[in-house]
Amino acid sequence: DIQMTQSPSSLSASVGDRVTITCRASQTISTSLNWFQQKPGKAPKLLIYAASSLQSGVPSSFSGSGSGTDFTLTIASLQPDDFATYYCQQTFRIPQTFGQGTKVEIK
Amino acid sequence: QVQLVQSGAEVKKPGASVKVSCKASGYTFTRYYIHWVRQAPGQGLEWVGKIDPSGGRTSYAQKLQGRITMTRDTTRNTVYMDLSSLRSEDTAVYYCARDGGGSISYSDYWGQGTLVSVPS
Repeated sequence: DIQMTQSPSSLSASVGDRVTITCRASQTISTSLNWFQQKPGKAPKLLIYAASSLQSGVPSSFSGSGSGTDFTLTIASLQPDDFATYYCQQTFRIPQTFGQGTKVEIK
Repeated sequence: QVQLVQSGAEVKKPGASVKVSCKASGYTFTRYYIHWVRQAPGQGLEWVGKIDPSGGRTSYAQKLQGRITMTRDTTRNTVYMDLSSLRSEDTAVYYCARDGGGSISYSDYWGQGTLVSVPS
């Protein structure tokens, strides 16, 4: 199975901060990488697909980049609604696998 | 609008089976794969498997092979996930999700989740 490693596991940030989360795959996955946001008690929400494509309805403050094994999710200016847990997911090979998550908390 | 509506919470004894349903609406049911993803309490996301509602072809996580079965009913626009020989470690919220991609897979719509509890 392809292992996905996110960093950091958690971070504290303030409203307005620029936040970057990284995701590394244990083998190359081209751009078959998605990012999700999850809030407590809710289903995950797709933010970015194919490494850098913004899902419809998602604020443009979210962006994704990378290919191969290294990927980044960036929130340009953190808003109160952005405090949540973020997961990367590879869909290059079955089984699809997720990173362990990054919890973004209020500083 | 696209919606996936799942069946309600279940409490099962170890060794029993559970069947969770996921009813799709707002799009052509047979055009998009459905994935199942689970999340144990306080833990991350784990891919369980997928089904092609058109032909019924499935693919399962290896760790669940032999215990999991996914089926679909095209007359009801519903997919089902059946998990047998339940263990306490199967306690989780189970989500169904539509694969909105073509050559690139991504889950764009999700059900609300179904909590399956298997008390030890």
